[in-house]
Amino acid sequence: QQPVQSPQAVILREGEDAVINCSSSKALYSVHWYRQKHGEAPVFLMILLKGGEQKGHEKISASFNEKKQQSSLYLTASQLSYSGTYFCGTEGGSGNTGKLIFGQGTTLQVKP
Amino acid sequence: KAGVTQTPRYLIKTRGQQVTLSCSPISGHRSVSWYQQTPGQGLQFLFEYFSETQRNKGNFPGRFSGRQFSNSRSEMNVSTLELGDSALYLCASRGPGLAGVNEQFFGPGTRLTVL
Repeated sequence: QQPVQSPQAVILREGEDAVINCSSSKALYSVHWYRQKHGEAPVFLMILLKGGEQKGHEKISASFNEKKQQSSLYLTASQLSYSGTYFCGTEGGSGNTGKLIFGQGTTLQVKP
Repeated sequence: KAGVTQTPRYLIKTRGQQVTLSCSPISGHRSVSWYQQTPGQGLQFLFEYFSETQRNKGNFPGRFSGRQFSNSRSEMNVSTLELGDSALYLCASRGPGLAGVNEQFFGPGTRLTVL
C-alpha cells in the first residue's frame, strides 16, 4: 500500500538534473510531493491530480501516469537549496481528504 | 495567513504516562490530519478529522486517539506511552492553497521522547 520511491538517495553537483520516481500499486486520485530538510517539517511542493492537472509553487515539474500509477518529480538545474529528503504522498478513492500515504523518501544532496 | 502551529514543540515523558498534543490549523481549513514520523517507519498516517468528525484512520492501536473542536483546532492523545512511541508527531491542515486546489500543509511538529 505504501508507494515505492526511487532512487533512495542521489548526490548531485549544482546545475545537474535529477528525477525522483514514486510508484503505487493502488489506483490514485492524487500525488503530493514534499521536501523536508533536517529538523524541519515537510514543505509542500506540488500536487498532481487525476486527469492531469498539476499545481505547484516552485520552479519544478512533475508528471503523473494514471495508467501506471506512477509519478515523477523533475529537478532541473539543481541548487544547493534543493538538498533534503523528498516524499511523495498518495491519495486514493475520491480524494480531497487529509489521508496521504507516504513513500519512504529520497534523500537528495546537492554539492557545490 | 499564519501557518499550522503545534504545541508543545518538545516533550519528554516516561513509559506508562499519557500525553496530549495540540494543533491549530490554518484559518479556514477544516481538515486536520496527524502523522507519526520515525527514522525506521517514515511518515505514517494516524488519523484525520473534518468538521469535528474522524473521517479517516490509520493502523495504529487504540492508545492513539484524537479529537477536533468546533474551531477546527485538534488534539491528539497517546495513553500508556511505550518507548516505541518516541517520534516526531506532525499535524497537517488541508484547504485551499496558492495553487488553487486543496493542499496539505504541515506544522513544525512535536518531538516526543519516551524514557
